[in-house]
Amino acid sequence: AQSVSQHNHHVILSEAASLELGCNYSYGGTVNLFWYVQYPGQHLQLLLKYFSGDPLVKGIKGFEAEFIKSKFSFNLRKPSVQWSDTAEYFCAVNLNPGFQKLVFGTGTRLLVSP
Amino acid sequence: DADVTQTPRNRITKTGKRIMLECSQTKGHDRMYWYRQDPGLGLRLIYYSFDVKDINKGEISDGYSVSRQAQAKFSLSLESAIPNQTALYFCATSEGGALNTEAFFGQGTRLTVV
Repeated sequence: AQSVSQHNHHVILSEAASLELGCNYSYGGTVNLFWYVQYPGQHLQLLLKYFSGDPLVKGIKGFEAEFIKSKFSFNLRKPSVQWSDTAEYFCAVNLNPGFQKLVFGTGTRLLVSP
Repeated sequence: DADVTQTPRNRITKTGKRIMLECSQTKGHDRMYWYRQDPGLGLRLIYYSFDVKDINKGEISDGYSVSRQAQAKFSLSLESAIPNQTALYFCATSEGGALNTEAFFGQGTRLTVV
C-alpha cells in the first residue's frame, strides 16, 4: 500500500538552529507533494507544494523543500527556526494528481525553545 | 470569513448518540473531503465527494456516513457515536478537474465521545 513516512515524531530545537524534517513516500508514479503546518489549536495551512519543475521549492515563512525523485523524498528545511515555528508539520502526497486523495504522514511535532 | 467553515468547533456527546458535523465552503470547489486526525496517526480520509451525486468511502469509513446536500455543503454523521471516534475532524475542499491543485482545510471540529 502507498504510504508516507515522517521519521521524526518529535523535534526540539533552540531558536536560530537549522531544521530538516524528513519525508519519504512509497509510490512509483507521478505525485504531487505538500507540507502542511498546524499551529497549536489551529487548522492545517499549506507551507509549500511541489507539482513539477524545479525540485527545490520555496514556501512561506522561510521554509523550503527539496524533491529527490530517486530517493522518493521531500524533506522540509529552514535555515534558522524561530519560536513561532513551534507547530506540527505534516507531509502529504497526492498519489493521483487531480484526484486529490491526499495521504498524510503521521506528523512531526516541532518545539522551538527561545 | 473562512473559505471552509465547520460547525460545531467543539462537541461533547455521549456514547450511542447520533451527531452531525457540518461543513460549508465558499470556494466554489467541486470536491470535498472529511478527514480525522488522531495523535501519532496523522490525518486519515473518511469520505470524499467529487460532486453532489458522487460520494466515495475513504480508508476509515466504518461508523460514519455523509451527505452532500449541495455543492457547497458536505456533512458527516456518526449514527451511534463510540468513544474511539473521539478525534479532531477536518473538512477539506479542492478544485475538480485540475491536475495540480491543493486542498483547503476548515478549522476542525474537536469531537469527544464520553
